[in-house]
Amino acid sequence: SAVISQKPSRDICQRGTSLTIQCQVDSQVTMMFWYRQQPGQSLTLIATANQGSEATYESGFVIDKFPISRPNLTFSTLTVSNMSPEDSSIYLCSVDASGGGPRGEQFFGPGTRLTVL
Amino acid sequence: AQKVTQAQTEISVVEKEDVTLDCVYETRDTTYYLFWYKQPPSGELVFLIRRNSFDEQNEISGRYSWNFQKSTSSFNFTITASQVVDSAVYFCALNVGGGNKLTFGTGTQLKVEL
Repeated sequence: SAVISQKPSRDICQRGTSLTIQCQVDSQVTMMFWYRQQPGQSLTLIATANQGSEATYESGFVIDKFPISRPNLTFSTLTVSNMSPEDSSIYLCSVDASGGGPRGEQFFGPGTRLTVL
Repeated sequence: AQKVTQAQTEISVVEKEDVTLDCVYETRDTTYYLFWYKQPPSGELVFLIRRNSFDEQNEISGRYSWNFQKSTSSFNFTITASQVVDSAVYFCALNVGGGNKLTFGTGTQLKVEL
């Protein structure tokens, strides 16, 4: 299994500002994923980030609002831009754990709890 | 399109009771994977089990067991002799065709009380 860390673990931000969330993995992985979990809700995939290419965004999410970087095989960032209270959520990073085995399994980081005032 | 339904929003049990969490999935693909994740209050998602569509054997791991029935498109999760530490939100998830996307259910909040 992969060990995933996220920074910050939580933050309280003002409306209109931006926050960049970092995700670090202890091994090289091809695919990294960013999810949003709104209060009391399930997880929704924001985008898939592959190293060396543009992130692929899911319906309802756009690059201007959630720019993603993937500079190498162990690191990614997600920025939540021009925040509003509706962006208050847990943001989770995950990695594809297949490593040549059964696909689809993902390991998750501890999440970043964001509150926007 | 894929869909995962967890009809039980919240379940409360007394410690040592057995509890079953239901999961019903929808997909037209013949190759898919089903997962259960646990999310304790700390927020981190903990992987519990993966099942592929070609393996309908039930599985037992300690107090946990899973019942996979393709005939009813269900992948239910039973905790035997529940403990307070089992209190968490449990998510069932579906991956189709071994691709990248996990489709999550809405989760079941399990509360185990003394």
